[in-house]
Amino acid sequence: GNSVTQMEGPVTLSEEAFLTINCTYTATGYPSLFWYVQYPGEGLQLLLKATKADDKGSNKGFEATYRKETTSFHLEKGSVQVSDSAVYFCALTDNAGNMLTFGGGTRLMVKP
Amino acid sequence: DGGITQSPKYLFRKEGQNVTLSCEQNLNHDAMYWYRQDPGQGLRLIYYSQIVNDFQKGDIAEGYSVSREKKESFPLTVTSAQKNPTAFYLCASDRTSGRAGGMNEQFFGPGTRLTVL
Repeated sequence: GNSVTQMEGPVTLSEEAFLTINCTYTATGYPSLFWYVQYPGEGLQLLLKATKADDKGSNKGFEATYRKETTSFHLEKGSVQVSDSAVYFCALTDNAGNMLTFGGGTRLMVKP
Repeated sequence: DGGITQSPKYLFRKEGQNVTLSCEQNLNHDAMYWYRQDPGQGLRLIYYSQIVNDFQKGDIAEGYSVSREKKESFPLTVTSAQKNPTAFYLCASDRTSGRAGGMNEQFFGPGTRLTVL
């Protein structure tokens, strides 16, 4: 079956540091890949997405590139802010249906 | 504004009681989902529905029940059979693509935090 593996957190960074959160996946065919963000006490919001190999999703300074050869979709940001503190979830849908498979989430804490 | 609403935001229940969590969407989405989130963990699928009057069990359906009488509404009942119901419950919806390779972006509600006393 499908699975998503994320690096365990928490990840603690100082403001303006570079961020990488690793995500690798196992899926049949050609899944679509997503990053969702969850701020404290809230639901999930879609951060970015990519639907095919070598696509780059980007939003709010965050980027992730769909790497089929390494089955990865790592999240990066060049300069984090305190307001980026949240839990980040990597997820995929397979090409046979509508179900989302989530990774376990990575908590990011950014200190001033 | 289109979106998903969940109510209540906080809910307290005594052991042995059933409780129903509300989820409503006005996005005209066909599919709706219920997830459970425990502290420090990812999301686990409880139930989902891809069309009115039809729903399917997810990975952890035991102790839960749902109904889908209207397209806009997908209430979740946490029954007394659920042994550890204290958790954060998230409802989501999406527009089913109906084709292979579809990109199904799910939209989430704000969640309901259920605490069993």
